[in-house]
Amino acid sequence: LAKTTQPISMDSYEGQEVNITCSHNNIATNDYITWYQQFPSQGPRFIIQGYKTKVTNEVASLFIPADRKSSTLSLPRVSLSDTAVYYCLVGGTGGFKTIFGAGTRLFVKA
Amino acid sequence: DAGVIQSPRHEVTEMGQEVTLRCKPISGHNSLFWYRQTMMRGLELLIYFNNNVPIDDSGMPEDRFSAKMPNASFSTLKIQPSEPRDSAVYFCASSRSGQGISSEAFFGQGTRLTVV
Repeated sequence: LAKTTQPISMDSYEGQEVNITCSHNNIATNDYITWYQQFPSQGPRFIIQGYKTKVTNEVASLFIPADRKSSTLSLPRVSLSDTAVYYCLVGGTGGFKTIFGAGTRLFVKA
Repeated sequence: DAGVIQSPRHEVTEMGQEVTLRCKPISGHNSLFWYRQTMMRGLELLIYFNNNVPIDDSGMPEDRFSAKMPNASFSTLKIQPSEPRDSAVYFCASSRSGQGISSEAFFGQGTRLTVV
């Protein structure tokens, strides 16, 4: 399984755009990139998933360069409620074995 | 759908006792995962099932841990005997397998286990 590396923590202010980058140098051809969000005392929640180029949904955007060795989760105009841990995962689909790394702890300040 | 349902939400038990954690996956999902989360080790995958069959249990820490999935709507994780180092939050998650990019996993609220 591809190993991921992401910053341990990040700080931001309300209303700013936050970009969290994840490195996955040994990503396999069949691997997708998935991001989860976890609030304290809750289970992780799926945010977005992509294979290449750009994916956007109502919550975030995911940018994946052509070599797929990294990806960037972009959260537009964050609010205090976006304070959470964000996990980048890489793996195949179809009941895939989902391995979580240490995640990035995002702290949004007023 | 009510989402993934875990019970109990909190469990406090004495060392040496048997503990059983329960999970009801989302209807129609045929992959089920058990995770353990601690401050020291983060989120660890313990075991996952596909179509009620255990596919990979390499994350189960030792023989004291066992998991079953007797049908598509129910799974248990049992610890016997329990030890203080088993204290953690245990999450169950389910997903549709074979659905390509839509096979995201949905997590339950977790069971906070404290072994004293």
